Amino acid sequence: DAMVIQNPRYQVTQFGKPVTLSCSQTLNHNVMYWYQQKSSQAPKLLFHYYDKDFNNEADTPDNFQSRRPNTSFCFLDIRSPGLGDAAMYLCATSRETLESNQPQHFGDGTRLSIL
Amino acid sequence: AQKVTQAQTEISVVEKEDVTLDCVYETRDTTYYLFWYKQPPSGELVFLIRRNSFDEQNEISGRYSWNFQKSTSSFNFTITASQVVDSAVYFCALSEAITWGGYNKLIFGAGTRLAVHP
Repeated sequence: DAMVIQNPRYQVTQFGKPVTLSCSQTLNHNVMYWYQQKSSQAPKLLFHYYDKDFNNEADTPDNFQSRRPNTSFCFLDIRSPGLGDAAMYLCATSRETLESNQPQHFGDGTRLSIL
Repeated sequence: AQKVTQAQTEISVVEKEDVTLDCVYETRDTTYYLFWYKQPPSGELVFLIRRNSFDEQNEISGRYSWNFQKSTSSFNFTITASQVVDSAVYFCALSEAITWGGYNKLIFGAGTRLAVHP
């Protein structure tokens, strides 16, 4: 009954080799988020989509891109992963209207390792 | 600027003990939301509670209770009669109310790792 599904659960890639992480949702939420969480740290927002509108955090490196082809799916592309990009990547969704700040629902995460 | 401080990095208790996780926040907004999330070893973040800045009533849900005090900018979380399954990292988070052109950005604290031993 998972509502936010991330694939794969674990991903290993080589230094500099592009990698794509995927997220799908069955909640029909209008907002999707990608977070990076390094070991023993809090999740850090990379960007989010409000419907089709893409919003980048100011400090998100250019190496990170995202696509949202439809309401249900969102992808995180890392163009040239470096060792510092090894982390857990969390996808989240929420249904937002003005001044509602609904809870975000998170997937299980994809743990990315860089060789 | 928004900020969430969870001063307790790690807490270790024995099963059945009560434990309180502290959360202190900073914001200049008058309307904001506070959240607690649980992150078990499996990795997913599990939503526990949302509270808006106008609702200072304490809340109890089973063994969980939350104490929101605007006067001290705190939103503390208590687990009564802790169990091994409560072992996890707990995050407190703050979000300012969405306004036109804004969005629901969660500012997380650093988290408190709770270990409950049999």
